Parts: sequence; C-alpha cells; structure tokens
Amino acid sequence: QSVLTQPPSVSGAPGQRVTISCTGSNSNIGAGYDAHWFQQLPGTAPKLLIYNNNYRPSGVPDRFSGSKSGTSASLAITGLQAEDEADYYCQSYDTSLSGHVVFGGGTKLTVL
Amino acid sequence: QVQLQESGPGLVKPSETLSLTCSVSGGSVSSGSYYWSWIRQPPGKGLEWIGYIFYNGNTRYSPSLKSRVTISVDTSKNLFSLRLTSLTAADTAIYYCARYTRNNHFDYWGQGTLVTVSS
Repeated sequence: QSVLTQPPSVSGAPGQRVTISCTGSNSNIGAGYDAHWFQQLPGTAPKLLIYNNNYRPSGVPDRFSGSKSGTSASLAITGLQAEDEADYYCQSYDTSLSGHVVFGGGTKLTVL
Repeated sequence: QVQLQESGPGLVKPSETLSLTCSVSGGSVSSGSYYWSWIRQPPGKGLEWIGYIFYNGNTRYSPSLKSRVTISVDTSKNLFSLRLTSLTAADTAIYYCARYTRNNHFDYWGQGTLVTVSS
C-alpha cells in the first residue's frame, strides 16, 4: 500500500484532456513537500515529467502540467496522443519514520 | 548530460547478498548538490525507493529495507553501490540507480538492471 494514492487507471480518446490525482497526507504533500511526476513508457526507465509541482524539464511538451493543493497533487495531459500511453507515478518526501522518499502506486493511462 | 549505468548479477540465490554498482558519467558523485539513489520495481508493479547516499557518506534508507541495505560511494571511481542481504523471491525486481536533487526529486535515471532471486 503506497503512501501516495493514485487511481490504478485512467483513459481518454486522442485530443481529450485527462487528469491523474495523487493523494497524500499532512506528513508529505500537506507538509509542504513538492510533488513530482514521472512517465514510464513500456520497457523503459521512468522519466521526469513534472518537478516541484508544476515545472517541466526541458523537452517536455506543454501539454503536460501539474498542480498541488492541500494534501494532493494532480497531473493534467491535454491534447492526448497515442504516444502518451504509459504508466505515471507521483513522488514526494515524507517526514514520518525519520523521513523518506515516497512514490504513488502508479496510474496506467490508456489512449482509446 | 549525466548518465548512470547499473551493473551486477542478473541471478542471485535466496538468502544470498546482492551487490550492484552504478557508474556515473557526465557528472560527479562528489558534487555537494545531489544525492545518489537506488530504486527498484518488481515485475508488473510500482516503484519502491531503497535509499540514497551523499558524497560524504551520509545515507538514508527506506524504513522497510533499512535492516538489509547498505549504500556506499567511491568518489575515486565516480560510482556508488548497493548491497542487499538475505534475499528472497520478493526482492526480484528491476533495480534503478538515479540522481536525487536537493528539491527532492530524481532527475536522471539509469536504464535499470533486472535481478532475479531464484535457486
């Protein structure tokens, strides 16, 4: 059971907008720690998609955006494309048990 | 461009110890700006953080793995290593090394190496 909770799956048609939620608690996102997002294409290593809640690394399309509110964070993908079909993970830092890195359980995005 | 490359055995027997190495190029493990981390992913499952190390040897480990994990750094060879003891089938996973920033996120990852625990 992950410290950060994500929906197991989401889906959308090409061109549509989808969002993926990441629910934490007052010991991680709610404590002021940023949320970060990774995209993992099949058979590859995770790739940083969004950092510090809403910043995109160079090369990441602006179709991807992030936000944070209270104890939760969200990833939004607009103009959905077939190549966006992947697993998405949120990550943060948790202050419990002397502090440690935490991941969400991952969300499988299916492009219909 | 920072690159990380994992190396180590692909098959280890139950109860034995796993040793993996992550070689870093395009950056220095001696940098005071980053931590160097291990993350694993069991087949078909999610990501699990194992721990990280700073260039001066300071470490932090996952509470669930702390009793079995040691991460070390070799600044002369620009690499860091993972040691995981008392292996069981549950430790079968792809093991990734990654760079961890002071903003608490991973910005560069290795390609990963599959480790299977089986007799």
